[in-house]
Amino acid sequence: ETGVTQSPTHLIKTRGQQVTLRCSSQSGHNTVSWYQQALGQGPQFIFQYYREEENGRGNFPPRFSGLQFPNYSSELNVNALELDDSALYLCASNLPGYTGELFFGEGSRLTVL
Amino acid sequence: KNEVEQSPQNLTAQEGEFITINCSYSVGISALHWLQQHPGGGIVSLFMLSSGKKKHGRLIATINIQEKHSSLHITASHPRDSAVYICAVRSGGGADGLTFGKGTHLIIQP
Repeated sequence: ETGVTQSPTHLIKTRGQQVTLRCSSQSGHNTVSWYQQALGQGPQFIFQYYREEENGRGNFPPRFSGLQFPNYSSELNVNALELDDSALYLCASNLPGYTGELFFGEGSRLTVL
Repeated sequence: KNEVEQSPQNLTAQEGEFITINCSYSVGISALHWLQQHPGGGIVSLFMLSSGKKKHGRLIATINIQEKHSSLHITASHPRDSAVYICAVRSGGGADGLTFGKGTHLIIQP
């Protein structure tokens, strides 16, 4: 039990649609990062939020966007879905301090048809 | 950009065997994480290292900063240790996020 919950656990969308994935972190975890994991691959860093501001981003296009809220929850939004967006999306949170232990959610598995 | 290589990619062993999984990275880091991922997808953090060695139960993790190499050892392996083990590094400033290896798929047979 990591104290990080993600929703939904599974969802299916079609190309061109938009999706919102949600993550609820432990109280006090003011840093949250999102990762995309394609089947058989290691996760890839999408972006990170610290105190409700994006402060780091991986090699993902602008149609991947996010929000972080004061209650330690966050969202990942993906517009204009493509088939290659099918993946497991993971969020991870940590206490203040970039080298702290990470707490991962169980992930949201997105299938784009 | 940091490159993270893990070996072996797949490992099958018998219960009780001593297991070693290796991780190498290409540029300096501020921290290295060893993670465990079960088939359902959820990831559990096992260790975070910036130097030396850490031990938790039957798991031991070591890191050699000069050689840019880390190892994860499992003593007295058990079928419940079967999982994917992933090495991930944080380079420099924390806003860079983690760079992950592709993982080592470990199967421990009874």
